[in-house]
Amino acid sequence: NAGVTQTPKFRILKIGQSMTLQCAQDMNHNYMYWYRQDPGMGLKLIYYSVGAGITDKGEVPNGYNVSRSTTEDFPLRLELAAPSQTSVYFCASSTQITGLGSPLHFGNGTRLTVT
Amino acid sequence: AQKVTQAQTEISVVEKEDVTLDCVYETRDTTYYLFWYKQPPSGELVFLIRRNSFDEQNEISGRYSWNFQKSTSSFNFTITASQVVDSAVYFCALRDTSGTYKYIFGTGTRLKVLA
Repeated sequence: NAGVTQTPKFRILKIGQSMTLQCAQDMNHNYMYWYRQDPGMGLKLIYYSVGAGITDKGEVPNGYNVSRSTTEDFPLRLELAAPSQTSVYFCASSTQITGLGSPLHFGNGTRLTVT
Repeated sequence: AQKVTQAQTEISVVEKEDVTLDCVYETRDTTYYLFWYKQPPSGELVFLIRRNSFDEQNEISGRYSWNFQKSTSSFNFTITASQVVDSAVYFCALRDTSGTYKYIFGTGTRLKVLA
C-alpha cells in the first residue's frame, strides 16, 4: 500500500522556470491538500480539494495552481518560480467520514530550491 | 477564525526526563478535531493521535500521554522518560467542522533529547 506518493523528491529551479509537483494517493481519499514548510516554520496550506473537479485556495495560494481531474491525482503547478517559493512541499490526503475527524496522510515531501 | 499556537519554539531535555509540549487552539465550532504529528530529522510527517472535541478523556499510549482540556482550549502532549529517538519537531493541528475541511497547523516545537 503506497499511500501518498510525491515526485520528485528534490528539484532545483532557476528563477522564472515552471514545474509541476506530482501527488498521487491510492487510498480512495476524497480530500487532498498541498502544504509548504519553510525552514524552521510550520505548515501553510496552499490549496486543497474536496473531490475531483473541486479545488479551493488555502492561506498562501499566490504563485501556484492546482487541478483535480481524478480522485487519485492532485498536481501542484508553479509558474514563474521565485526564490520565495524555496520550500519543502507536502501533499496530503484524508477521508472525511462524518464524525471521525480523519487524520491527514502525508507524502514524503518535495524539496524545492529556486535560485 | 481557527488558530493553533505552540508557544514553545524549542525544548531541550536530558534523556529520561519527562517533557510536556503545549498546544492552545482557537475555534468557534463546537465540534472539532485535534491532532499531533511528529516530524523526525528525516523529514516525514507521522500521525500520532487524534482527539474529538466531544471526547475529553485523556489518553496514555506507552510513554506518550495527551491532556485535552476544553475549558482552557489546550491539547498538551507529554513524553515520559524521554529518549534520544524522541528528538523531532512536533506539530499540533486543528480541523473544525465549519465546512472548509482545512487542517490548521501550529508552528511546531522542536524537541531535543540529549544523551
